[in-house]
Amino acid sequence: SQTIHQWPATLVQPVGSPLSLECTVEGTSNPNLYWYRQAAGRGLQLLFYSVGIGQISSEVPQNLSASRPQDRQFILSSKKLLLSDSGFYLCAWDREGNQPQHFGDGTRLSIL
Amino acid sequence: AQSVSQHNHHVILSEAASLELGCNYSYGGTVNLFWYVQYPGQHLQLLLKYFSGDPLVKGIKGFEAEFIKSKFSFNLRKPSVQWSDTAEYFCAVSKSGSARQLTFGSGTQLTVLP
Repeated sequence: SQTIHQWPATLVQPVGSPLSLECTVEGTSNPNLYWYRQAAGRGLQLLFYSVGIGQISSEVPQNLSASRPQDRQFILSSKKLLLSDSGFYLCAWDREGNQPQHFGDGTRLSIL
Repeated sequence: AQSVSQHNHHVILSEAASLELGCNYSYGGTVNLFWYVQYPGQHLQLLLKYFSGDPLVKGIKGFEAEFIKSKFSFNLRKPSVQWSDTAEYFCAVSKSGSARQLTFGSGTQLTVLP
């Protein structure tokens, strides 16, 4: 069966520090991969999605970037975190066809 | 761009009461519709989905939703809620296509009192 892993589960970082959140999917190949953010009191917002290795689409301009170095690995990064980057980050995957997205457990990021 | 509105931010019900959570979306093309649920301390999981066909969709745990195209709505219903249904519920929509970017509503927190 397919599983999705995100780490770390929680992270506290100072303003101006770099960020790297990792997401991996097991049990499937060539998935579509997604990064979402949920700010406090708001719904989930799509940040990036990828349909293949090295292919990244950005939905909103921001301080973050994403990379897909391997088929089942999706990384969310920042060179210098801002206070506004605080939130709950979720990775998700799906396949082509009428299939829903499956979500990881998320990373709660707090910027101090 | 598409958007999703969930008008109820927090709903409090007693056990056995009936539930209806509203969801409206704005997009003129063909859409896929979803309800996700997040139980306390757990990850987001799919409750039900609509891609095509019968507009009345049945999901897990006795939930159902009806797609009314003319009203751009996809309301979630359950005839009799249980304490274990306490969770946050998210409506989401995506355009039909190869990479389905989901647009989520802001969520509805449901609290069921025993």
